[in-house]
Amino acid sequence: DVKVTQSSRYLVKRTGEKVFLECVQDMDHENMFWYRQDPGLGLRLIYFSYDVKMKEKGDIPEGYSVSREKKERFSLILESASTNQTSMYLCASSLSAPGALHFGNGTRLTVT
Amino acid sequence: GQQVMQIPQYQHVQEGEDFTTYCNSSTTLSNIQWYKQRPGGHPVFLIQLVKSGEVKKQKRLTFQFGEAKKNSSLHITATQTTDVGTYFCAGLGQAGTALIFGKGTTLSVSS
Repeated sequence: DVKVTQSSRYLVKRTGEKVFLECVQDMDHENMFWYRQDPGLGLRLIYFSYDVKMKEKGDIPEGYSVSREKKERFSLILESASTNQTSMYLCASSLSAPGALHFGNGTRLTVT
Repeated sequence: GQQVMQIPQYQHVQEGEDFTTYCNSSTTLSNIQWYKQRPGGHPVFLIQLVKSGEVKKQKRLTFQFGEAKKNSSLHITATQTTDVGTYFCAGLGQAGTALIFGKGTTLSVSS
């Protein structure tokens, strides 16, 4: 079974802090994605990557950046956290594009 | 840009009743996927539909992809309490590079 591991289940940060959300997958998938999930808004795509060192903006990239130095790891970076970035962040990977997404358990980030 | 609309937002049924959620896209889709998210969990892939008019079944779940490849539906026959959760559709546009999710339908079932 594919395992997608997100480094933290819960995270509390202060406004203005730089925040790193880490995601690792163990199935040699080419494609990795970051979504945020908010009540009533569903899942919205922040960034995705189809290859190492490659990244593409999703629907809501403002305030975020990503890093993919190794195939198995895809990091989401909040350069200067703001309260409107309080959300559930979900990382996913897929073998093919478009293929079935395998999600991690999510990181619930609270920015105070 | 591409949008995927899903209705209803919420649905409550008595155990044993049927349930249907609908997904509509503003543009033609190359494929559509369905996911289920249990309360407190993460979305789990259910199925992918690719062909126009395609119908697939998984036990009590029936998935359809419209002839014009702009809409899809998920029908659950005789719901059970284990069906509780939020069901998402996710579509890929003809020129798209990543899936766009609908806002989901949250199903609650009372016994």
